[in-house]
This record gives sequence, C-alpha cells and structure tokens, in this order.
Amino acid sequence: AQKVTQAQTEISVVEKEDVTLDCVYETRDTTYYLFWYKQPPSGELVFLIRRNSFDEQNEISGRYSWNFQKSTSSFNFTITASQVVDSAVYFCALSEEHTGANSKLTFGKGITLSVRP
Amino acid sequence: DTAVSQTPKYLVTQMGNDKSIKCEQNLGHDTMYWYKQDSKKFLKIMFSYNNKELIINETVPNRFSPKSPDKAHLNLHINSLELGDSAVYFCASSQDRGQDEQFFGPGTRLTVL
Repeated sequence: AQKVTQAQTEISVVEKEDVTLDCVYETRDTTYYLFWYKQPPSGELVFLIRRNSFDEQNEISGRYSWNFQKSTSSFNFTITASQVVDSAVYFCALSEEHTGANSKLTFGKGITLSVRP
Repeated sequence: DTAVSQTPKYLVTQMGNDKSIKCEQNLGHDTMYWYKQDSKKFLKIMFSYNNKELIINETVPNRFSPKSPDKAHLNLHINSLELGDSAVYFCASSQDRGQDEQFFGPGTRLTVL
C-alpha cells in the first residue's frame, strides 16, 4: 500500500534562512509519481512539482529545489532564503502506476512552515 | 478564468440537513475528484470520476453521493449531515488519473451545527 510520511509537523524559521521539508514514501511499484503542493493561509492548494520514479534528477526552480533519492525513498524540498510569503502548509503526495484506473493521490500529513520576519 | 471552481465557498447548516456542493472545471480534463480535509489538515480522497464514470469510492458513507452530469462537472450531495462531516471539501481535476498533477478548486468549508 502506498504511504507518505512527513515526519516534521511544524517548522519555524527566520526570513532568509534555508529550510528543508522532508518526505519519505512507501510503494510497491517501480513506476510512481511524487508531488509537492503548497497550501497558503488563504486555503487553496497550489501544485509545485511532479516527479516520476525514473527521473532522479534534482530540480531547481528559483528559490525552490527538490532532491529525489530512490535509495532512501525520499523526495525532499528545500526553500532557499525563505520569505514570509513561503509560510504555508506543504504536502508531499504519491500516486502509483500499477493501480491503473484506481490510481489516486495519497498525501502526507503536511508540514506547517512559518517564516518570521 | 478560474480553472476549477466550487460553490459555495462556505456552507453552514444544521445536523440532519441535506446539502450539495458544485464543482466545475474548464480545463478539458477527463478526471475529477473530491477530497476531504479535516481539522488537522489531513487530505484524503473520497471519490474520483473519469469521463462521468465512478472510478474510486474510498469507503465513504453512502450519505455522500457524487454526481457527474458531464465530464466538466462533479457535484457532491450529502444527506443527513452529521457533526463529523464538518471539514473543507476540495474538488480537483487532472488530465489523466495517476501521473498528472491535479488542479484543485478553492475548497468549500462545511460547518455542521
């Protein structure tokens, strides 16, 4: 069964600090997809990134970067030089290929990030 | 140009009532979903539909009945509301079922008194 663990529940940093949000997943599949979503205080869910299991290249997008390591089943998210606007709940999620028509996103419990000025 | 819209945004009602939440997507996606987010922010899938066909029913009480009149709409009807139904309900859509990112609506905050 697919499972996503976000062991950190709340993180508080001061603006301009770097912060890493951890995500560990479990799956039986060799083909699967990993996602990160952001939920700011306004409540909407914003898609950040998708990674498939065959693409272990790290990705950088501005101040955001993602480190995917299949050996440790982790897909960690780093925010460099954090800003107050980064304050949000961040969700890691997993979807498996083998379930075909029944594939679904399984979310971790989310990490609440607070960035203080 | 809202991609996924939901109405209403807020819903306050008494226990035992019946209510509906509507969802529409203008992305041309084939698959739509309903998620429930509880007070601890935990997000869990309830249903998914692909081209108006129910694909996933994640052991949701049968008081919850989704209806998809066409592939751009997925409504959620809830009968006999209970206190435990209070949550934020999100509609989402994706081009395909597993591999594509899901685009979420703004959410409907349901409060059952």
